[in-house]
Amino acid sequence: GAVVSQHPSRVICKSGTSVKIECRSLDFQATTMFWYRQFPKQSLMLMATSNEGSKATYEQGVEKDKFLINHASLTLSTLTVTSAHPEDSSFYICSAQTGTEFNLNQPQHFGDGTRLSIL
Amino acid sequence: AQKITQTQPGMFVQEKEAVTLDCTYDTSDQSYGLFWYKQPSSGEMIFLIYQGSYDEQNATEGRYSLNFQKARKSANLVISASQLGDSAMYFCAMRDPYSSASKIIFGSGTRLSIRP
Repeated sequence: GAVVSQHPSRVICKSGTSVKIECRSLDFQATTMFWYRQFPKQSLMLMATSNEGSKATYEQGVEKDKFLINHASLTLSTLTVTSAHPEDSSFYICSAQTGTEFNLNQPQHFGDGTRLSIL
Repeated sequence: AQKITQTQPGMFVQEKEAVTLDCTYDTSDQSYGLFWYKQPSSGEMIFLIYQGSYDEQNATEGRYSLNFQKARKSANLVISASQLGDSAMYFCAMRDPYSSASKIIFGSGTRLSIRP
């Protein structure tokens, strides 16, 4: 159980293109999903917390207008990288968790990630 | 503020040997959760094991065990009888129970390489 599906797994596109990444919880409902960015050989950096039915909460230094997050249902969150440039090239990975926010023992379940390459 | 420290950027271990990956954390909270994740070269994050701050016993999951020393604020991962498939990045993480969405913060990771 607790499977998170992320699509696409890899994207290569030209500078100026907007790219949408989907994150779906397949067998559970996720009121909260998280979006991370990971540079090569580095740790995961939390970009934003996606809340179903409300605006996402962005971490300091993350551009809201650059990284649009929509969490329209309990099983789907999307991250859109708008007008992508080469510096946006990175590995983006989403996660979701079951249970309430006060369940300390609930792990976050991750998608397989998206490798974004902007030419 | 909460902080996770992994001081071993890389480790090499002979197959079938046990290996300990270090993790220390810093928090002023009494209630928190600690996690270990494995990230193979393909990129997915695989949940391995969890330890709660109030758990009296060390967590175990198959070949994985967590050496939890609360007073020292350490939560080392022990992998017994290592296998070639254990080669990956390993991240220690902690849940911040008082964040608005119960965020998890990650350490910098340890790259484990198993030698045949």
